[in-house]
Amino acid sequence: GAVVSQHPSWVICKSGTSVKIECRSLDFQATTMFWYRQFPKQSLMLMATSNEGSKATYEQGVEKDKFLINHASLTLSTLTVTSAHPEDSSFYICSAVTGAGPQHFGDGTRLSIL
Amino acid sequence: GENVEQHPSTLSVQEGDSAVIKCTYSDSASNYFPWYKQELGKRPQLIIDIRSNVGEKKDQRIAVTLNKTAKHFSLHITETQPEDSAVYFCAAEGNTGNQFYFGTGTSLTVIP
Repeated sequence: GAVVSQHPSWVICKSGTSVKIECRSLDFQATTMFWYRQFPKQSLMLMATSNEGSKATYEQGVEKDKFLINHASLTLSTLTVTSAHPEDSSFYICSAVTGAGPQHFGDGTRLSIL
Repeated sequence: GENVEQHPSTLSVQEGDSAVIKCTYSDSASNYFPWYKQELGKRPQLIIDIRSNVGEKKDQRIAVTLNKTAKHFSLHITETQPEDSAVYFCAAEGNTGNQFYFGTGTSLTVIP
């Protein structure tokens, strides 16, 4: 149980395009979803907390206009990297939680901007 | 937010020896402390967690200890095996609940 699916797993696109990443909880309803960014050999950096039906809460230093988060249902949250540039290249991972339980992570999305 | 520090950043042990990874946190209101194992290019996997109402928790070869007064917690892996090699992250729950703030990670190598 507690499976989180993230799609796509890898995306390469040109500078200036927008990229949408999906995070789905497959067998449970996620009251909250989280988005992290991870650089090579570094830790997971929390970007934002997303609750279904409400605006995401962004961590300090994360541009909300750059990283658009939508949490339309209890099983789906999306992260859109708008007008992506090479410095946005990174590994993006989502996680989902129900209630006060542990976070369950997706497989991550490797984003490469050329 | 919470500030979590983790040491050491790299750790090499001989197979069969024990490995200890330590973390400190800044927010005394944090009550939940999970540990994750992440293999290269894969998702973090929860290996053990502890809540602030207990001081120690053990699951086979893995144990976690928590000192709330000192605001530090540690992961102990005994009888290490090569498949334990991975990056380990500690985390502390934020004060508004549910958010995790991760430590910087420890790359553990178990030498056969």
